Amino acid sequence: GDSVTQMEGPVTLSEEAFLTINCTYTATGYPSLFWYVQYPGEGLQLLLKATKADDKGSNKGFEATYRKETTSFHLEKGSVQVSDSAVYFCALCPVLSGGYNKLIFGAGTRLAVHP
Amino acid sequence: DAGVIQSPRHEVTEMGQEVTLRCKPISGHNSLFWYRQTMMRGLELLIYFNNNVPIDDSGMPEDRFSAKMPNASFSTLKIQPSEPRDSAVYFCASSFRVSGGPLQETQYFGPGTRLLVL
Repeated sequence: GDSVTQMEGPVTLSEEAFLTINCTYTATGYPSLFWYVQYPGEGLQLLLKATKADDKGSNKGFEATYRKETTSFHLEKGSVQVSDSAVYFCALCPVLSGGYNKLIFGAGTRLAVHP
Repeated sequence: DAGVIQSPRHEVTEMGQEVTLRCKPISGHNSLFWYRQTMMRGLELLIYFNNNVPIDDSGMPEDRFSAKMPNASFSTLKIQPSEPRDSAVYFCASSFRVSGGPLQETQYFGPGTRLLVL
């Protein structure tokens, strides 16, 4: 079945460092791809999304490009801040999802940014 | 604007007791999701409602779990009887789904209910 694989955390960075969180997927056809972020004690929030191959999603300095050839959707940010510390989830909505946005999530990657 | 509201935020109960989790979706949304988050299994979809009707309950683990949505502004997830392995964070999420539209609408999550069954 369809699945999402993320790099294991925690990822620990200093402020202003470059961030990459790897995400690869297994799916039929062209699923929609998402990054959600979960801050401590809160629910998940949509960070960005891409719905077709070569699309780039971006928000708050974060970017991810839908790469069909490598089945990847890696999250990047050029300069992280302490406030970016959170758990990041990669997710997909399968093409054959039963007619609704049925998200399949990766395990999540915890990011800790130190001053 | 109020987001998705869940109550209680924390629940501690003893094995065998009935537990009821509550959710108020964002006004105007027509889709509601219940998720469970654990360290072992990650984030799992339990059930999906559209226009108050359960559409996909294939993720409900067993008959001990039941969910209802009596109207557009309220849903419950009930566990009876509860077991220690039900300990998890339960999230409710809502979205607005355009019938026949692309499968990419944003889901808005509540803050979750942290359940501990002793």
